[in-house]
Amino acid sequence: TQLLEQSPQFLSIQEGENLTVYCNSSSVFSSLQWYRQEPGEGPVLLVTVVTGGEVKKLKRLTFQFGDARKDSSLHITAAQPGDTGLYLCAGANAGGTSYGKLTFGQGTILTVHP
Amino acid sequence: DAGVIQSPRHEVTEMGQEVTLRCKPISGHDYLFWYRQTMMRGLELLIYFNNNVPIDDSGMPEDRFSAKMPNASFSTLKIQPSEPRDSAVYFCASSLTMGGEPQHFGDGTRLSIL
Repeated sequence: TQLLEQSPQFLSIQEGENLTVYCNSSSVFSSLQWYRQEPGEGPVLLVTVVTGGEVKKLKRLTFQFGDARKDSSLHITAAQPGDTGLYLCAGANAGGTSYGKLTFGQGTILTVHP
Repeated sequence: DAGVIQSPRHEVTEMGQEVTLRCKPISGHDYLFWYRQTMMRGLELLIYFNNNVPIDDSGMPEDRFSAKMPNASFSTLKIQPSEPRDSAVYFCASSLTMGGEPQHFGDGTRLSIL
């Protein structure tokens, strides 16, 4: 079973601050996805990173996939109250009969105070 | 476009009762997933289907849980008999393919077993 350790579990910051969320594993993933979930709703995909070392930017959000495809990070610049939510990373199995099956991290609950 | 539709949104029932959760995936998506989300264990994959055929049910906790997909537009997750520890939010998701494709989640069923 592949495990994906996500940290921190909780993050409470003031508007305008920067933050980074990490996902780490000892397993190699074929790709890694980041989702955002709001209360009462299902997770919604933010980005997929596929290539080792890949960096993707989505406005104030920067996503990075580790060179060995075992870890990833999400960096938010100048956080806003609208960024508040649960952030989930999910790694896709790299091979075998479970190819593409997602393993989710525990999630990071982000609260941005005005 | 209609997203993944789940029903009911909330279910409260007494232990020992049968519970049936329903899901309509996005039309044209070949993969359907059932997940369970709790604070303690995060988002866990229970089972997934490809073209209506169950592929991996290794996440199903025990024989009290069963899932079916009689056609491409409908799936059920059944718990019989239900127990208080089954209380969680259950999500259905669908995707076009495995590996890198986004999974589209419904809004979930919040299940409370008294």
